[in-house]
Amino acid sequence: GAGVSQSPSNKVTEKGKDVELRCDPISGHTALYWYRQSLGQGLEFLIYFQGNSAPDKSGLPSDRFSAERTGGSVSTLTIQRTQQEDSAVYLCASSLGFTGLGQPQHFGDGTRLSIL
Amino acid sequence: EDKVVQSPLSLVVHEGDTVTLNCSYEVTNFRSLLWYKQEKKAPTFLFMLTSSGIEKKSGRLSSILDKKELSSILNITATQTGDSAIYLCAVPNTGNQFYFGTGTSLTVIP
Repeated sequence: GAGVSQSPSNKVTEKGKDVELRCDPISGHTALYWYRQSLGQGLEFLIYFQGNSAPDKSGLPSDRFSAERTGGSVSTLTIQRTQQEDSAVYLCASSLGFTGLGQPQHFGDGTRLSIL
Repeated sequence: EDKVVQSPLSLVVHEGDTVTLNCSYEVTNFRSLLWYKQEKKAPTFLFMLTSSGIEKKSGRLSSILDKKELSSILNITATQTGDSAIYLCAVPNTGNQFYFGTGTSLTVIP
């Protein structure tokens, strides 16, 4: 497809379980972002990948959160030992490489994560 | 601490009204400010502003940046029900990490 693809679209799991969220960015986009959006809140930055550089993990809320990007394309966000406060919509975005101005990001539809 | 603040948090207007949404920022080494519209799921890009005083326009939407006031406004004229959405403002820092405001929720009543 032409846009950013995220899966699953919805995920319901029990507290304490691990979850994996997937993001397939637009082909050719070297920058990839993960955000979290809680009800009534803005987008909270989680992690940023740019090409082959080390990712910017400064937004990850705890060591239960991790992300990887294989081959500079698909990314997986993993949350271990989920807690109820992890319930949110997780959005992925991609953009062309860094130009100094901040390229517009293209967002996926998100994964709605609900922790019971 | 870098931050982006939007106001109002929510707004309810009637079709045909004109609205002005505000975004103020405190971000080190400012380079650009971006506006997005979020309806149901994915935010979609509206404008990117880099220079003060130059209006960007797309149909009934327009936006302008004021670097002196560290702010931007998004105007929507002759609002329609399809304009109902959350409008997000974002500013990147030098590391290309984007700071988003909490958004303004706009509801346009027929």
